Amino acid sequence: KAGVTQTPRYLIKTRGQQVTLSCSPISGHRSVSWYQQTPGQGLQFLFEYFSETQRNKGNFPGRFSGRQFSNSRSEMNVSTLELGDSALYLCASSQGLAGTDTQYFGPGTRLTVL
Amino acid sequence: GENVEQHPSTLSVQEGDSAVIKCTYSDSASNYFPWYKQELGKGPQLIIDIRSNVGEKKDQRIAVTLNKTAKHFSLHITETQPEDSAVYFCATHGAYKYIFGTGTRLKVLA
Repeated sequence: KAGVTQTPRYLIKTRGQQVTLSCSPISGHRSVSWYQQTPGQGLQFLFEYFSETQRNKGNFPGRFSGRQFSNSRSEMNVSTLELGDSALYLCASSQGLAGTDTQYFGPGTRLTVL
Repeated sequence: GENVEQHPSTLSVQEGDSAVIKCTYSDSASNYFPWYKQELGKGPQLIIDIRSNVGEKKDQRIAVTLNKTAKHFSLHITETQPEDSAVYFCATHGAYKYIFGTGTRLKVLA
């Protein structure tokens, strides 16, 4: 089975712009979670989608949003980018809700905001 | 708030020695405790996990122990090899989300 894929792998944006990141889960997985990883804050939970519905959300501002499509693929959007949004954005998929089944991570999208 | 403390932040061992990484958590609802290994340029990879009804689990050179009363769990790697060098994260899953430790950079010296 193919693993979790994320596109693009690298992205450079400027402050004020918006960005959309994409995640394709492992075939058959219905849950997709998004995380932000930075050297200072570590790995932080953004949100989880299951069957096209946002099930849980972390403590991030409303500039961070996401959605999930009927084929379980997910996108994450960040509007009005700030320098502090520079990070590795990881998505992870699992068959059931996160915490009930093993979660598998993708390679991440490295976002740099200038 | 909920948090997971992980120690040490860096760990250097000689090849063949054992390595131990410890995590302490605060959320009493935590019931699932995975450990991830992250290599440079890659996403975290699950290496072992344990659920709250089990005290210890072993998979070849890797073992995890859990003490729910004390709210801590540990990763044990025996007979370390250079390819074990990576950043290791502990995590807990409680009510609705994963909380990750701050990571331990393990260096195995040949």
